[in-house]
Amino acid sequence: QQQVKQSPQSLIVQKGGISIINCAYENTAFDYFPWYQQFPGKGPALLIAIRPDVSEKKEGRFTISFNKSAKQFSLHIMDSQPGDSATYFCAASIGNYQLIWGAGTKLIIKP
Amino acid sequence: DAGITQSPRHKVTETGTPVTLRCHQTENHRYMYWYRQDPGHGLRLIHYSYGVKDTDKGEVSDGYSVSRSKTEDFLLTLESATSSQTSVYFCAISSVEGGLGYEQFFGPGTRLTVL
Repeated sequence: QQQVKQSPQSLIVQKGGISIINCAYENTAFDYFPWYQQFPGKGPALLIAIRPDVSEKKEGRFTISFNKSAKQFSLHIMDSQPGDSATYFCAASIGNYQLIWGAGTKLIIKP
Repeated sequence: DAGITQSPRHKVTETGTPVTLRCHQTENHRYMYWYRQDPGHGLRLIHYSYGVKDTDKGEVSDGYSVSRSKTEDFLLTLESATSSQTSVYFCAISSVEGGLGYEQFFGPGTRLTVL
């Protein structure tokens, strides 16, 4: 019940396209859902985060969509660019500072 | 990398030897974490600290110990390294102040190889 399942493992998208990464969880007590972005040789960095009281949050080209009834949340990257090529992690937590992480999605944007 | 340094950045060691990794922060954040990152597993929490001398286990704590004698330093020790501990280790920090309060800031990582 503590797992966060992330899909796909890898994704190739053409430049200008929409990249979509999905995560699913079981524990309805989770109350914080961040997405982290990691470039090769670097540590992950927070990209965008959402709480379950909203269904969508948008920051620039990045949007989190949250479906509480389905226990799913997804990251959409609009107008994907080669600079977006990275590994993306979803995560969830229950009101403390311990994050439960998805396994990651390696995104490649083809020019 | 948000005022977080890790040392060493790379280490090769032999099975059975003790290894200590150091995380140093200049942000005065209360919470510090050690993760390991392996392909297909994402980030797995080893240990974390919620204050000086206050630590707790994460999901993969077997074979690891930690110490935090100062706010700025969090040490991870492999008592007797095994090949299964070959991994990239990340330190992270977080604070109650700012944003959603849960954001974790990561260091640059330490690549450890156990032969």
